[in-house]
Amino acid sequence: DSGVTQTPKHLITATGQRVTLRCSPRSGDLSVYWYQQSLDQGLQFLIQYYNGEERAKGNILERFSAQQFPDLHSELNLSSLELGDSALYFCASSHSTDTQYFGPGTRLTVL
Amino acid sequence: DQQVKQNSPSLSVQEGRISILNCDYTNSMFDYFLWYKKYPAEGPTFLISISSIKDKNEDGRFTVFLNKSAKHLSLHIVPSQPGDSAVYFCAAKSSSGTYKYIFGTGTRLKVLA
Repeated sequence: DSGVTQTPKHLITATGQRVTLRCSPRSGDLSVYWYQQSLDQGLQFLIQYYNGEERAKGNILERFSAQQFPDLHSELNLSSLELGDSALYFCASSHSTDTQYFGPGTRLTVL
Repeated sequence: DQQVKQNSPSLSVQEGRISILNCDYTNSMFDYFLWYKKYPAEGPTFLISISSIKDKNEDGRFTVFLNKSAKHLSLHIVPSQPGDSAVYFCAAKSSSGTYKYIFGTGTRLKVLA
């Protein structure tokens, strides 16, 4: 158990819909990272927050947004969903900028 | 542009033998590297890391080697065990610039009993 929690574990929705994925980092970790893993693909970095502020941005679509709240939990919002958005979404947290600890992921299926 | 490459999508090794997983990178600014192991339906788990000031780091059965001139790192698992069967990702980052990690596409290791 990495100490990072993600909810929900599974999410099934329809095209055009909007969903919110939630992540609680390990106690004391200020950084939260979001990744997308599509079928047979590597982990694609989406975005990083540090203590409530956006720190780095990767290949995140404009339809996606994220935020980190004062209690350090983070939410990833995916809107106008398309079939191609079906993937595993991982959250990771870290205390420094080195080792990241990953949550179990949310499997999103868009029908 | 894939800055971190794991060119072998899969690898099979007999139990007790050595497993060698390879990773190549293109960005000479990368100075910190990690290996993660991922089981199905779980998140990646941190395995071992190495900074560019070293060329080797060991942790039990796991050793990571870094060849900066070749921009290549490898993970050695000795001896391999069936429980090591998983997907292994390497990741790299630069201490200057952004804080993001670039991950490879992974190598699926199967250790045969």
